[in-house]
Amino acid sequence: QSVLTQPPSASGTPGQRVTISCSGSSSNIGSNTVNWYQQLPGTAPKLLIYSNNQRPSGVPDRFSGSKSGTSASLAISGLQSEDEADYYCAAWDDSLNGLYVFGTGTKVTVL
Amino acid sequence: QITLKESGPTLVKPTQTLTLTCTFSGFSLSTSGVGVGWIRQPPGKALEWLALIYWDDDKRYSPSLKSRLTITKDTSKNQVVLTMTNMDPVDTATYYCAHTEEMAELDYWGQGTLVTVSS
Repeated sequence: QSVLTQPPSASGTPGQRVTISCSGSSSNIGSNTVNWYQQLPGTAPKLLIYSNNQRPSGVPDRFSGSKSGTSASLAISGLQSEDEADYYCAAWDDSLNGLYVFGTGTKVTVL
Repeated sequence: QITLKESGPTLVKPTQTLTLTCTFSGFSLSTSGVGVGWIRQPPGKALEWLALIYWDDDKRYSPSLKSRLTITKDTSKNQVVLTMTNMDPVDTATYYCAHTEEMAELDYWGQGTLVTVSS
C-alpha cells in the first residue's frame, strides 16, 4: 500500500549521523513537499519535519530534512538513545484527486 | 491547544461495519482550510492514510478502500466520523485521527484506538 520507499532499518552509535532516504515519484515528492513523522514505541506518530526541511517548535535541530527531485532524506546528527524510533516520510499525491501517502517506515536503532 | 481523541469499539466481528469518532478541540472545522484525516496502522506495520474531510465538506479517500469508507463531520459537536463497512481480520489496526490545514502536514494526532476484528 505504501507508495514511498524507505529502507527498513538504520542504526548508529550515540553521536553519529544517520540518514534515511525516501523515494517517490513525480506525482508525490516530485510535486509536493515532504513531511517526516517520528513514532516512539507504543505512541502515536509525531510531526518531525514539514515542508521538506522545517522543524516544528520543540524539535531539536539535530533533525534535518532535504528534498531533491523525487527523493527526500532525513538526517539525524548527534544520534541519541531517545531517537530510537520508527520514522515515516509522507507527501500529498496529485494522482486520483489527491491523497496522502506514507513511506514504508524506517526503524532507527541506537547501538 | 489542539487535541484529538478517537473513540469506538475495540472489537468488531467480520462483515460488521466499524464506526469511529474523532472528537477534537482547539480548532473549528468551519474554519477555511482546516481538515481532519484518518490513518491506521496494523500491528507491526506501516502507517496507511484512509480518508480526510475539509472544512467545506470536500472529502478524499484512499483509492484502495474508497468503496468501504465514509467520512462525515459534525461541526457543532467538533466531531468527525469514519465508517468502514465489511470489516475483515486484516483491518485489525490502531486507528488515528489527525488535524491538517491547506493540504499540508498532519500536525496534530490523536492517541489512537486499537480495533480488533475477530469472530
